[in-house]
Amino acid sequence: DTGVSQNPRHKITKRGQNVTFRCDPISEHNRLYWYRQTLGQGPEFLTYFQNEAQLEKSRLLSDRFSAERPKGSFSTLEIQRTEQGDSAMYLCASSLVRASGGQETQYFGPGTRLLVL
Amino acid sequence: QQQVKQSPQSLIVQKGGISIINCAYENTAFDYFPWYQQFPGKGPALLIAIRPDVSEKKEGRFTISFNKSAKQFSLHIMDSQPGDSATYFCAARRDNYGQNFVFGPGTRLSVLP
Repeated sequence: DTGVSQNPRHKITKRGQNVTFRCDPISEHNRLYWYRQTLGQGPEFLTYFQNEAQLEKSRLLSDRFSAERPKGSFSTLEIQRTEQGDSAMYLCASSLVRASGGQETQYFGPGTRLLVL
Repeated sequence: QQQVKQSPQSLIVQKGGISIINCAYENTAFDYFPWYQQFPGKGPALLIAIRPDVSEKKEGRFTISFNKSAKQFSLHIMDSQPGDSATYFCAARRDNYGQNFVFGPGTRLSVLP
């Protein structure tokens, strides 16, 4: 399967613990996105990378959230000192954006569901 | 201006009927409008998309109608099937900037057998 993969699929943690999620995009895709989705809502943009460069991170929910994509391939999203309000589905998506422009199609992974107790 | 509004919040349709979901936007700089389908426990999957220079796009049983002057677009699912029961999200993107991809709140569709 050459789709977007995310690990783990589920994570239960206690308040105050740190958690890290991994996303492996479609191999030739140069953009990688992180979204948060809460129950009954659409995905909420958090941050994105073009290759290894993080082009937008102001929408990360707090300074407890950070993301990396060190080699322009997989990415990690870390939440430090988790709070109960962080409980949500964290979605990763990837896309191929060409310099010539054109339609950008995002392909989503299955998500990581986080529960903070 | 970055918001995309979506209605209805939930929709119940009989098998074989037509499901219609509507979205509206404010920012005229949006240049790409996809629809995503999401099943419980799964990530959203692209269903169909349209650009504002086209008024309608059809793929199988799914049709997007786009009204640029009204800043509205809608998804029509013809001959709705129980397997179509899912949550549908409209979205919009401005230019080539990734942070400008915004999603509507979703419509939960239930197709009764």
